Amino acid sequence: RKEVEQDPGPFNVPEGATVAFNCTYSNSASQSFFWYRQDCRKEPKLLMSVYSSGNEDGRFTAQLNRASQYISLLIRDSKLSDSATYLCVVNQGTGFQKLVFGTGTRLLVSP
Amino acid sequence: NAGVTQTPKFRILKIGQSMTLQCTQDMNHNYMYWYRQDPGMGLKLIYYSVGAGITDKGEVPNGYNVSRSTTEDFPLRLELAAPSQTSVYFCASRPSRGRTDTQYFGPGTRLTVL
Repeated sequence: RKEVEQDPGPFNVPEGATVAFNCTYSNSASQSFFWYRQDCRKEPKLLMSVYSSGNEDGRFTAQLNRASQYISLLIRDSKLSDSATYLCVVNQGTGFQKLVFGTGTRLLVSP
Repeated sequence: NAGVTQTPKFRILKIGQSMTLQCTQDMNHNYMYWYRQDPGMGLKLIYYSVGAGITDKGEVPNGYNVSRSTTEDFPLRLELAAPSQTSVYFCASRPSRGRTDTQYFGPGTRLTVL
């Protein structure tokens, strides 16, 4: 079983749509959780951290369910510029940040 | 600030050759990391450093070496390149104060070993 599993997609959605990505992780001792965004042939960039209480940043909402070892990302009112690969990332380190990356979910937003 | 810079951007090596991938950050971050990303795969940690003079192995260190003589620089050395080392290599850094959650990545080096 992969340590971090994501549906690779692609998810094809029209502009303005709402889309949700899910991710599961296998290590229950994981400390913290993130969504990174990676554009084609570019480096990953932090989109948002994921907190147990859930958190929102503009059109983006992240949720964490520790009991089910499940993380989600919801994007509302999709823009063309949201087209990218979204990486689910889990920190398994204590003190030192040891990130384990999912393979990513590709999103394509069309006009 | 330039952030994290990596050189070269692209490189083709022959089997058995060696090279050094350069990584420099100007944010005074203590933590630095090297990852590789194979097509369709998640990033894998090769080596990391918690400060100048201190390095340790990550998940996939075989075939690589690192050094950290300054806070700014964290070069990755490939000895005896093999086709299995064909990948995109990303260097990252992270602060020890402030936004400690965030790793900042360089633009990557695309390496092909033939």
